[in-house]
Amino acid sequence: SQQGEEDPQALSIQEGENATMNCSYKTSINNLQWYRQNSGRGLVHLILIRSNEREKHSGRLRVTLDTSKKSSSLLITASRAADTASYFCATDEVGAQKLVFGQGTRLTINP
Amino acid sequence: GAGVSQSPSNKVTEKGKDVELRCDPISGHTALYWYRQSLGQGLEFLIYFQGNSAPDKSGLPSDRFSAERTGGSVSTLTIQRTQQEDSAVYLCASNPLTGNEQFFGPGTRLTVL
Repeated sequence: SQQGEEDPQALSIQEGENATMNCSYKTSINNLQWYRQNSGRGLVHLILIRSNEREKHSGRLRVTLDTSKKSSSLLITASRAADTASYFCATDEVGAQKLVFGQGTRLTINP
Repeated sequence: GAGVSQSPSNKVTEKGKDVELRCDPISGHTALYWYRQSLGQGLEFLIYFQGNSAPDKSGLPSDRFSAERTGGSVSTLTIQRTQQEDSAVYLCASNPLTGNEQFFGPGTRLTVL
């Protein structure tokens, strides 16, 4: 089964609003990463948070990690139409050597 | 510098034919990954190469799928006797150190008629 499970599967908001996506996982991890995908093609790395970190910021992105709950959230503030994309979390499991991706959240920003 | 490249960008084939998909990773990246993504779905891990180590083939869905990486650089994913359920986007990624961010190519969209 997929390690990372995103919630919600789809999210539609107005431009300027904040968007929050959640990811849950099952095993111990070294780090958790968020990626963005436009138009079903290549993914772009957004941010990486290590297991000993609780929060990380990058521009309009804020990521939190709660290892006790095995969950992470991605917050995009002041959303723009260009943020419309699918967002995936990926976990680097302890003892494994590959990332495990979730099913993604499809985000639509309405102008 | 150049990113990860994949070819072809699109491939349409008939059921039963063999196809080869190519990935050129970023120069110097020792790790290379292949994923499959069906329409509207997440990424399904297929195979992983790291340096000269034996590849992790645990994600290959059947023995019709194989991959090789020559000289620690270019990789080819081969699908023999293609089936309609093989239709998907095949993504390749590389990174210089396991566990860090992966750099993705644009993918090959495979359509099996």
